[in-house]
Amino acid sequence: AQSVTQLDSQVPVFEEAPVELRCNYSSSVSVYLFWYVQYPNQGLQLLLKYLSGSTLVKGINGFEAEFNKSQTSFHLRKPSVHISDTAEYFCAVIPISNFGNEKLTFGTGTRLTIIP
Amino acid sequence: GAGVSQSPRYKVAKRGQDVALRCDPISGHVSLFWYQQALGQGPEFLTYFQNEAQLDKSGLPSDRFFAERPEGSVSTLKIQRTQQEDSAVYLCASSLAGQGLGTEAFFGQGTRLTVV
Repeated sequence: AQSVTQLDSQVPVFEEAPVELRCNYSSSVSVYLFWYVQYPNQGLQLLLKYLSGSTLVKGINGFEAEFNKSQTSFHLRKPSVHISDTAEYFCAVIPISNFGNEKLTFGTGTRLTIIP
Repeated sequence: GAGVSQSPRYKVAKRGQDVALRCDPISGHVSLFWYQQALGQGPEFLTYFQNEAQLDKSGLPSDRFFAERPEGSVSTLKIQRTQQEDSAVYLCASSLAGQGLGTEAFFGQGTRLTVV
């Protein structure tokens, strides 16, 4: 089984400041890692994903994340946030062994609030 | 259509009533998933279809929950004899194919079910 921990339920950040949203996971097998964003009254939208290769992945809207296998982490970062980044952010994993069934296991989410 | 479409967007049901939630996936997408998102939580997996075959229903919380995808396209999630703990947002997602490649899942806006 897999589990995902997002320790920070809420993160307030001033506009144009940097932000890091933390994600740690637990799994007995290798996993793919994802960050999804959920704007108010919207569905989930993929920000970025790590499948293999370079551990630093870049996504949409200026976000990036770094996979650290030894620390089982996949923290999300942005160097300068904008008001429009206010949303709920979810980290998720898929076990690579689940061939043909890519069900996602999500964390509980981090609500990012940008302060003008 | 251009994205995953779910209907209705909002549903209020009296306790004990049966409800049916509909999902129209992106045309041509083989895989279809249902997730349940309780207030303040991350989405939790309910069930998975590959075309019309329901390959995993391990997340369905009770036998009151039933899902189908008879023609490998539109899917319906049915909840019988609704109870207050069923109140949640039900999310549908589709992807091109579950081939162990970390294929991106596209989410609908969800159906918010409130049981009173």
